[in-house]
Amino acid sequence: TQLLEQSPQFLSIQEGENLTVYCNSSSVFSSLQWYRQEPGEGPVLLVTVVTGGEVKKLKRLTFQFGDARKDSSLHITAAQPGDTGLYLCAGGNNDMRFGAGTRLTVKP
Amino acid sequence: NAGVTQTPKFQVLKTGQSMTLQCAQDMNHEYMSWYRQDPGMGLRLIHYSVGAGITDQGEVPNGYNVSRSTTEDFPLRLLSAAPSQTSVYFCASSYTFYRDTEAFFGQGTRLTVV
Repeated sequence: TQLLEQSPQFLSIQEGENLTVYCNSSSVFSSLQWYRQEPGEGPVLLVTVVTGGEVKKLKRLTFQFGDARKDSSLHITAAQPGDTGLYLCAGGNNDMRFGAGTRLTVKP
Repeated sequence: NAGVTQTPKFQVLKTGQSMTLQCAQDMNHEYMSWYRQDPGMGLRLIHYSVGAGITDQGEVPNGYNVSRSTTEDFPLRLLSAAPSQTSVYFCASSYTFYRDTEAFFGQGTRLTVV
């Protein structure tokens, strides 16, 4: 059983569409991180959220940390083909654990 | 900036063979860790280290050993390779072991055990 459950597992959309992916857990975290991974590369950090209810924006990406600090979401506005990749959430209390990821494909 | 360097990038082993995956970082980071990535499973933590001389087990430590004799290096040893260890292995480092510190990853080692 994954500590962090991500949904959906796969998402394929057209360029210009909006999308939201989710990261859920039964555990409370002091912070959650979102990473993006491209084929053949290691994950790269997008954002860290640390306060319950926090919203952070990174250009067209909006990240939210749930009030209870058990879940997080990533919303992408007007997706572009360059957004294609594997989106991973990560959190932990003594070490860092990852969800299985959402594999996003944005078609031109 | 080299960052986190993993070697080799690709490796094929026969069942029962042993090998060491190398990981080195040049950022003077305290915290280093090893993950394996399998389809549909995401990244699973194998072992981690909060500083030289200190290591601990993650989610899936069986069949793997680590040591941390220096700050820079954190090798992962497969004692007797099994087909179930076929995976992509990632080494990561971060400045501290606190949860909200950014982790920097190497490019991965793709291991196939036949």
